[in-house]
Amino acid sequence: EAQVTQNPRYLITVTGKKLTVTCSQNMNHEYMSWYRQDPGLGLRQIYYSMNVEVTDKGDVPEGYKVSRKEKRNFPLILESPSPNQTSLYFCASSSSGSADTQYFGPGTRLTVL
Amino acid sequence: KQEVTQIPAALSVPEGENLVLNCSFTDSAIYNLQWFRQDPGKGLTSLLLIQSSQREQTSGRLNASLDKSSGRSTLYIAASQPGDSATYLCAVFSPYGNNRLAFGKGNQVVVIP
Repeated sequence: EAQVTQNPRYLITVTGKKLTVTCSQNMNHEYMSWYRQDPGLGLRQIYYSMNVEVTDKGDVPEGYKVSRKEKRNFPLILESPSPNQTSLYFCASSSSGSADTQYFGPGTRLTVL
Repeated sequence: KQEVTQIPAALSVPEGENLVLNCSFTDSAIYNLQWFRQDPGKGLTSLLLIQSSQREQTSGRLNASLDKSSGRSTLYIAASQPGDSATYLCAVFSPYGNNRLAFGKGNQVVVIP
């Protein structure tokens, strides 16, 4: 089944404790991206990747890192999480870019205390 | 900067009625427009993708129209069912900026049995 998977689905952590949210897709998609969704603000892009070893900032990259060492995986790293990063995070992929149909993962609900 | 607006933020309709959801965007220079569905606590599912050269797309009970010159799109859902209850998001891909979609904040729909 074609899908985007994220882990963990739920995470409660404390300020400053490094964490990684994994994202994997099995559709051989070149384009992957991370969004955060907050009440009243909608979906905002954090980072995106056009292909392996090619990443770039989205609208709200501060406090986040990403890497794309393999085509299927695009982890989101929070090296020193803060409470304002409490949010619902989505990973998405598409065949070749934002112009194609986007496939979203199920989301990761992160709470930073 | 592209701004996407969806009004109303929430609406309720009785089962069987046709649903009409509106999306407006500020810059008509777009590549495409996508409609997504989001169920509570879940990821986004792409419903329809309309290229800038198209006027409408149809899938089953769903029909989406695009009027690029006026910056508007409408999603029609015929003969609504309780299972259509969800949040519907509109997203626009524009040929500038960091290769990303601009999302509206969504229409939260409740279909009353």
